[in-house]
Amino acid sequence: DTEVTQTPKHLVMGMTNKKSLKCEQHMGHRAMYWYKQKAKKPPELMFVYSYEKLSINESVPSRFSPECPNSSLLNLHLHALQPEDSALYLCASSQPRFNTEAFFGQGTRLTVV
Amino acid sequence: GEDVEQSLFLSVREGDSSVINCTYTDSSSTYLYWYKQEPGAGLQLLTYIFSNMDMKQDQRLTVLLNKKDKHLSLRIADTQTGDSAIYFCADYGDNQGGKLIFGQGTELSVKP
Repeated sequence: DTEVTQTPKHLVMGMTNKKSLKCEQHMGHRAMYWYKQKAKKPPELMFVYSYEKLSINESVPSRFSPECPNSSLLNLHLHALQPEDSALYLCASSQPRFNTEAFFGQGTRLTVV
Repeated sequence: GEDVEQSLFLSVREGDSSVINCTYTDSSSTYLYWYKQEPGAGLQLLTYIFSNMDMKQDQRLTVLLNKKDKHLSLRIADTQTGDSAIYFCADYGDNQGGKLIFGQGTELSVKP
């Protein structure tokens, strides 16, 4: 099983809403990542969790709040987003330090209205 | 910071070979990856190469690495219309502390 599963696939939310994105993997990977991707641009790293601890926060606004409840799950809590936050949000997993395969999920297409 | 560069577009005829090129600056690179992204989809890992290798072949895909020139290429043999997508080169190095650095992506268009 080399799958990273993200839910929901699509999400439309208002600027006052609170929502969460979920990511799950069962490959035994101990590093999980959130990326943001705009159309036809490369993914931009947001957060890295290594052994369930936040190891990298790329100066992401506090309206994005990551959570790693266990080694298989990664959440991204969203609150008071702006229209410019509309994007594809990708989750990825690997062994720490990307020393082998790094797999991405299919992403959540987020639209903020 | 470290940088990865790719040409933005490539157009080929069905049945031809495609070669997508990538250059990187990180001298500590350990792994280099090729991802494929179809419209509206996530990133699919195509292949990766360890920095002590020169070449890796996997069915229609051949990856060449010139570590001296920091140049990576992906050759797709017998390109099909289903290969039309954006291809991202990505670099992981020991100095990057857990970050995968992506190129801008090459949009491959395969014409029948």
